[in-house]
Amino acid sequence: DTTVKQNPRYKLARVGKPVNLICSQTMNHDTMYWYQKKPNQAPKLLLFYYDKILNREADTFEKFQSSRPNNSFCSLYIGSAGLEYSAMYLCASSVGGRSYEQYFGPGTRLTVL
Amino acid sequence: GDSVTQMQGQVTLSEDDFLFINCTYSTTWYPTLFWYVQYPGEGPQLLLKVTTANNKGISRGFEATYDKRTTSFHLQKASVQESDSAVYYCVLNNNNAPRFGAGTKLTVKP
Repeated sequence: DTTVKQNPRYKLARVGKPVNLICSQTMNHDTMYWYQKKPNQAPKLLLFYYDKILNREADTFEKFQSSRPNNSFCSLYIGSAGLEYSAMYLCASSVGGRSYEQYFGPGTRLTVL
Repeated sequence: GDSVTQMQGQVTLSEDDFLFINCTYSTTWYPTLFWYVQYPGEGPQLLLKVTTANNKGISRGFEATYDKRTTSFHLQKASVQESDSAVYYCVLNNNNAPRFGAGTKLTVKP
């Protein structure tokens, strides 16, 4: 099974409220990623876990948090949603290392009102 | 930092036309390069990849060649079909932090 699952598929949030998105995989991959995708823009890497080590991109460091309670699950947390957070959020997993392909979930579409 | 450039946002072709999607990259080392394809309602999925060990990747009639001299990784297909309609992403992975191009939406008319 090469499925990456994301919950929920659609999320409506209010400005200033927290948001928690969930991703899971059963491939025993050591690396899990979160991307933000806005229309007409490239998917932007927000952060990734290599095993238990979290790596966050410098320009989004303070905007997103994440946790990985076990190998299979990874969450993306927004403490206080703003309108600019409206986007598609893609989760992916892979074996660590630059030569390995990523397996993507279908995405969670977040709309902040 | 690492970056990937795809200038063609949209491409419209007819069946059996030749496909060429431009991709150039910038990095300080020798990355692995990928093409991913995304169909509506799904996440991106691997189409092909190329490492420094093998200069060309081929899959499902698509091919891409890793050109270190011009730092390019263009995607080609000799004869497209309607089922090839999708968004195509060029991706660079240098340090386990994959970078995506903006994507090219391909529409193939029957």
